[in-house]
Amino acid sequence: GDSVTQMEGPVTLSEEAFLTINCTYTATGYPSLFWYVQYPGEGLQLLLKATKADDKGSNKGFEATYRKETTSFHLEKGSVQVSDSAVYFCALCLYGGATNKLIFGTGTLLAVQP
Amino acid sequence: NAGVTQTPKFRILKIGQSMTLQCTQDMNHNYMYWYRQDPGMGLKLIYYSVGAGITDKGEVPNGYNVSRSTTEDFPLRLELAAPSQTSVYFCASSPTELPSYEQYFGPGTRLTVT
Repeated sequence: GDSVTQMEGPVTLSEEAFLTINCTYTATGYPSLFWYVQYPGEGLQLLLKATKADDKGSNKGFEATYRKETTSFHLEKGSVQVSDSAVYFCALCLYGGATNKLIFGTGTLLAVQP
Repeated sequence: NAGVTQTPKFRILKIGQSMTLQCTQDMNHNYMYWYRQDPGMGLKLIYYSVGAGITDKGEVPNGYNVSRSTTEDFPLRLELAAPSQTSVYFCASSPTELPSYEQYFGPGTRLTVT
């Protein structure tokens, strides 16, 4: 079935370090791909998205490129801040029927130390 | 702008008790969803609704019921609570227009069943 696999955390980095969180997917069709972020005590928020192969999503200094050949959507940021500490979820959406359901990965906790 | 609101924020139930988790959105979204998030796991879809009067099961519906009498409200009912229902519950909504992939999440309800 359709699924998302992302690297286990926690990921602990120092401020200004480079971040990569790996995400790969399995899907029978042509999904759209997303990164959601969950700050402590809050619900999930959409961080960025890509709807077709080779698209690059970007927001708040984060980027991810939809790689169909490797079925991947890795999240990157060149210089993390303490305020980026959160749980990051990779997700896919296959459109069809009456609604569009998101399939989430297990989440990766990022802790950034000053 | 309230977005998606959930009540209560926290609740402790005894085995066999029942309760209703409330969810309200003020964005006039037709689609609404209930997820549960277990530690170390991604979000699992419990039930969803594509409009008032229409609901359908998600991935893990057993032990839950929903109703959708208005566009704004989508309560989740737990009957005969069990320890396996200890989790964090998130409600979400999304607009009707395709691709309606962006889901707006509430802050969650943390439920413990003992």
